[in-house]
Amino acid sequence: GEDVEQSLFLSVREGDSSVINCTYTDSSSTYLYWYKQEPGAGLQLLTYIFSNMDMKQDQRLTVLLNKKDKHLSLRIADTQTGDSAIYFCAERFSGNTPLVFGKGTRLSVIA
Amino acid sequence: DAGVIQSPRHEVTEMGQEVTLRCKPISGHDYLFWYRQTMMRGLELLIYFNNNVPIDDSGMPEDRFSAKMPNASFSTLKIQPSEPRDSAVYFCASNHRAGELRSYNEQFFGPGTRLTVL
Repeated sequence: GEDVEQSLFLSVREGDSSVINCTYTDSSSTYLYWYKQEPGAGLQLLTYIFSNMDMKQDQRLTVLLNKKDKHLSLRIADTQTGDSAIYFCAERFSGNTPLVFGKGTRLSVIA
Repeated sequence: DAGVIQSPRHEVTEMGQEVTLRCKPISGHDYLFWYRQTMMRGLELLIYFNNNVPIDDSGMPEDRFSAKMPNASFSTLKIQPSEPRDSAVYFCASNHRAGELRSYNEQFFGPGTRLTVL
């Protein structure tokens, strides 16, 4: 069955790097996503990676994928207070199927 | 485009009452998804539609829940009768049909409806 696991909390100091980790079980997942949820808001796509990639960089964001271990991570460089939010890892079998989410990691940035 | 629109944003009702949540997907999107978010269970899929037809409703908790999509621009999620354990944030999301070329095919989320059943 499908299952996505994340740690629930992470606290970092402003300016440091944040690393949010995720493990998933479905080896047939083709797409892996990171979504951000700010308080009282919906989910916003941050970045994604295809399962045939190892790494993707997008400005302050770096996604690493270890397909053998089914491990995904999101690194946020120079973390700012505006990055405080809940970050969800999600997997998807194809572009038309539902997302399967982890429970989310609440990132707190201390000034 | 205004994005995915959900109404109401907040709903407070009493146990036993009927609740109807509404969603307008982004114009042109073929797929519509209903998710529920709770502290205990996180984000779970309830049901999704393709071209207004329900594809998978295995996530619908029980017969008290029903969802319809009468046309491409409107969907409802109904709970009758509502119970306190239904209290959650309900999200609607939509996306295009993914093409032949590999596409990350972003799924766009509405702002959610926060339901409280007393």
